[in-house]
Amino acid sequence: EAQVTQNPRYLITVTGKKLTVTCSQNMNHEYMSWYRQDPGLGLRQIYYSMNVEVTDKGDVPEGYKVSRKEKRNFPLILESPSPNQTSLYFCASSLSGRTALKLGTQYFGPGTRLLVL
Amino acid sequence: AQKITQTQPGMFVQEKEAVTLDCTYDTSDPSYGLFWYKQPSSGEMIFLIYQGSYDQQNATEGRYSLNFQKARKSANLVISASQLGDSAMYFCAMSFGTALIFGKGTTLSVSS
Repeated sequence: EAQVTQNPRYLITVTGKKLTVTCSQNMNHEYMSWYRQDPGLGLRQIYYSMNVEVTDKGDVPEGYKVSRKEKRNFPLILESPSPNQTSLYFCASSLSGRTALKLGTQYFGPGTRLLVL
Repeated sequence: AQKITQTQPGMFVQEKEAVTLDCTYDTSDPSYGLFWYKQPSSGEMIFLIYQGSYDQQNATEGRYSLNFQKARKSANLVISASQLGDSAMYFCAMSFGTALIFGKGTTLSVSS
């Protein structure tokens, strides 16, 4: 089954404790992206990757890191989480970022709900 | 700068009625894509429909259609014959270059 998986689905942590949220897709997609969703703000793009070893900042990259060493995986790293990073996080992938249609037709993971105390 | 605006925080409609969800956008780039996504209460994001900036005809997908008015920079979603299962949050999004930006969403409630 074609899917994007994220782990963990729920996470409670404390300020400053490094954490990683994993994301994996099995569709051989080139483009992958991370978003955060906050009430009243919609989804905002954190980082995206056009392909292996190619990553770029989205609208809200501060406090986050990503890597794309393999095509299928795109982990999100919070080196020193803070309470303002409490949010719902989505990983998404699409066939390619080279055309508007392919870029925007994204498959989303189930989301990771993060609480930073 | 690119921007997507959804001005309706919530909409209410009865079953079998049609409903229009508003979306306006701002960009100076001539090439872009417009999308609508649905987010049910279970939380997943579901792609609904796409409109390219150069497309002459409005996009349709089953009961969904996108009313694209380029000069007014609007891309409203029309849902015909609403069903209870249409109750969800709906997001308008725009692709430009290699990024995708979303509006803040509209919550649609369908009642019987």
